[in-house]
Amino acid sequence: AQSVTQLDSQVPVFEEAPVELRCNYSSSVSVYLFWYVQYPNQGLQLLLKYLSGSTLVKGINGFEAEFNKSQTSFHLRKPSVHISDTAEYFCAVKGSNYKLTFGKGTLLTVNP
Amino acid sequence: DGGITQSPKYLFRKEGQNVTLSCEQNLNHDAMYWYRQDPGQGLRLIYYSQIVNDFQKGDIAEGYSVSREKKESFPLTVTSAQKNPTAFYLCASMGQGRNYGYTFGSGTRLTVV
Repeated sequence: AQSVTQLDSQVPVFEEAPVELRCNYSSSVSVYLFWYVQYPNQGLQLLLKYLSGSTLVKGINGFEAEFNKSQTSFHLRKPSVHISDTAEYFCAVKGSNYKLTFGKGTLLTVNP
Repeated sequence: DGGITQSPKYLFRKEGQNVTLSCEQNLNHDAMYWYRQDPGQGLRLIYYSQIVNDFQKGDIAEGYSVSREKKESFPLTVTSAQKNPTAFYLCASMGQGRNYGYTFGSGTRLTVV
């Protein structure tokens, strides 16, 4: 079975500081990994994904993530955050029967 | 532009009523999904459909029903049997190949009054 653990439920940071949101996964099928962002009262929007190829994946809004097979991790990073990055972030892995399995989310709060 | 449209954005239900949430996509995706989101509980799968005229229960299907008569449409009915329906409901569809991954709608917030 596939599962995703997001190690931090909340991450507060100051504006212009770097941030890392941690995600560990387990999977018994080919590994496809995703990060989604959700702003209040909105749907989820794809930030980036890893399907194959380079293990460093760049996404929208200056975010990037690195697939580490040996550590079964897919941590999300941004070198300098803005107030507008305040949102909830979800990590997901390809599951069985053509579905994605999600973590419980990390609330990123960027303070001035 | 292709995407998923959920309507309405806000919905109020009286006790004992059934309500139907709409989900329409123009992405030509075969698979569609309904999730429920409650604070602190992440996303929980209600129902999914991988092809027209076929659907499967997810983890929390009790009190919900769906239909998939057209590829573009996957409506969700919240029945009176659902004891705690107040939540944010998200519809998604799955791309294929290089587009593998979910595209989400903007959600419907259902409140019982």
